Amino acid sequence: GQQLNQSPQSMFIQEGEDVSMNCTSSSIFNTWLWYKQDPGEGPVLLIALYKAGELTSNGRLTAQFGITRKDSFLNISASIPSDVGIYFCAGQLLANFGNEKLTFGTGTRLTIIP
Amino acid sequence: DTGVSQNPRHKITKRGQNVTFRCDPISEHNRLYWYRQTLGQGPEFLTYFQNEAQLEKSRLLSDRFSAERPKGSFSTLEIQRTEQGDSAMYLCASSLAAEQYFGPGTRLTVT
Repeated sequence: GQQLNQSPQSMFIQEGEDVSMNCTSSSIFNTWLWYKQDPGEGPVLLIALYKAGELTSNGRLTAQFGITRKDSFLNISASIPSDVGIYFCAGQLLANFGNEKLTFGTGTRLTIIP
Repeated sequence: DTGVSQNPRHKITKRGQNVTFRCDPISEHNRLYWYRQTLGQGPEFLTYFQNEAQLEKSRLLSDRFSAERPKGSFSTLEIQRTEQGDSAMYLCASSLAAEQYFGPGTRLTVT
């Protein structure tokens, strides 16, 4: 199935550093969602974006809905050890009845170097 | 805890056996989704229910797979005649609108 392109694939950072990652698609979406997944667990919703150009924050996390509706960005400021995990973007097209599935990105694995 | 729950969390089965997984969504959510995730990949959509109606099925959902949501509450996903390629994490999510909330998943290993 289709997967959105996320970059970078992995990041190795020191505690306290800021993190930026992005997600791109060949098709437009009406909604962008960002999730974090820990090993052996389901994805946890971090931020939801509903409008092109929208910038939304949740604590140290800030995400943006790209103006072309084909991309989204996630920033994490002042990283802490519990930020370690895999971050997934997901796009959703709510144009028609039944089109509510999420299309996920390939993931960005965040590791904090001691 | 009022989140999405899934049972069992882990299932090991032999090739050719049938398996069934259960998902209990957040109680007021009318939409329920099943996804499959293989190692190193993001989740991939399998199927979607609004109340008890199954509204969309992915091409990934072969005829060996069947999902039900008989009373619009919990859902089951059955895989018949399992194959080694069915080994994956099976995730359930529920929603009222755009935001989907996931359960912890069922890890299936087919030997």
